[in-house]
Amino acid sequence: GENVEQHPSTLSVQEGDSAVIKCTYSDSASNYFPWYKQELGKRPQLIIDIRSNVGEKKDQRIAVTLNKTAKHFSLHITETQPEDSAVYFCAASPSGGSYIPTFGRGTSLIVHP
Amino acid sequence: NAGVTQTPKFQVLKTGQSMTLQCAQDMNHNSMYWYRQDPGMGLRLIYYSASEGTTDKGEVPNGYNVSRLNKREFSLRLESAAPSQTSVYFCAAQGGMDYGYTFGSGTRLTVV
Repeated sequence: GENVEQHPSTLSVQEGDSAVIKCTYSDSASNYFPWYKQELGKRPQLIIDIRSNVGEKKDQRIAVTLNKTAKHFSLHITETQPEDSAVYFCAASPSGGSYIPTFGRGTSLIVHP
Repeated sequence: NAGVTQTPKFQVLKTGQSMTLQCAQDMNHNSMYWYRQDPGMGLRLIYYSASEGTTDKGEVPNGYNVSRLNKREFSLRLESAAPSQTSVYFCAAQGGMDYGYTFGSGTRLTVV
């Protein structure tokens, strides 16, 4: 089955800095890669996703890049703000079968004012 | 639209008691899921239902049962609660492949 590794487990940055979270996956059949943000005590929420036919996608201060050859994808947050502090999860979904995503274990991002 | 609604939000059970976690979605999605979230373990899939009338085991199904009552509702039952089932439980719905999940607000369950 699919295996998703996410790094780092904890990331601490100063407000205004950039933050990068990286994920690798093992199954070359995976073709959908969502990212979720979970604030303390809240539900995970989808913030951005990318499909395998696209190499990069941006939405304001967040962007995701995908390298299918190397089987890795990354979340980039620019000009970080304290409200970006949360746990971020990556996931990889296969193109067939039940489309069940495999989640990474999460990255706790702390943005210091 | 409420999206995905879970009840209850909090519950304390004694070992051996049973309970049902309720989940309902108003997005007309086919697929629904139950996850548990434990510190350092991320999200682990308990059971899922790809469509009305079907259910399948996920990564950690032992000690749980599910019912897909109709397209809107997907419930999770603990027949005999154990302390190892202390966790936060999330229900989610998905519109299809290449679409992300919409999660419910979660149920924080403590088994003593």
